[in-house]
Amino acid sequence: NAGVTQTPKFQVLKTGQSMTLQCAQDMNHNSMYWYRQDPGMGLRLIYYSASEGTTDKGEVPNGYNVSRLNKREFSLRLESAAPSQTSVYFCASSDPAAETYNEQFFGPGTRLTVL
Amino acid sequence: DAKTTQPTSMDCAEGRAANLPCNHSTISGNEYVYWYRQIHSQGPQYIIHGLKNNETNEMASLIITEDRKSSTLILPHATLRDTAVYYCIVRVEGANSKLTFGKGITLSVRP
Repeated sequence: NAGVTQTPKFQVLKTGQSMTLQCAQDMNHNSMYWYRQDPGMGLRLIYYSASEGTTDKGEVPNGYNVSRLNKREFSLRLESAAPSQTSVYFCASSDPAAETYNEQFFGPGTRLTVL
Repeated sequence: DAKTTQPTSMDCAEGRAANLPCNHSTISGNEYVYWYRQIHSQGPQYIIHGLKNNETNEMASLIITEDRKSSTLILPHATLRDTAVYYCIVRVEGANSKLTFGKGITLSVRP
């Protein structure tokens, strides 16, 4: 199993540009999450999806939209990127119904710079 | 979810036990204590969790005080690869229960 995969690994945008960060998991998990991590800080939740077809705001949702395309994929879109969105973005998944329901599995991250 | 307080950093010698403390004095009866770690530039990794009993797995041991207001993560034989930021998190179980990360404690294992 690849676990949680994210694309791209690195991205540089200009202010005002848009882009979509992709996340996929092959563990058949119901729940998926998007976090951002600024330098020297812990992770902050942007959006999450408890199950296919549902999404909810987290702590810092402004400036982002998400799509739970199917059970495997959860994308994060920046419609008009701003320098304040320069960060490392992590996707995670979990399955409350599984034995590992306590545990969130994280992807390797996408390093985004907005100029 | 209850907040946690951790020291900013600590170090230990390779091969020795690393004891990482965490205070969670406002923890509720239905909140679990979780530990994750983040090795530089990687995504966080689950280590262990517990409610009120001490727990042990292949990575670490978790000691929770009887009043549940604090806990200690123990890495019994620290290696250089254990150098990371360790996050102590308390959360309620459930499908929509989310992780709230603080700044964590930076553990440096020295040769």
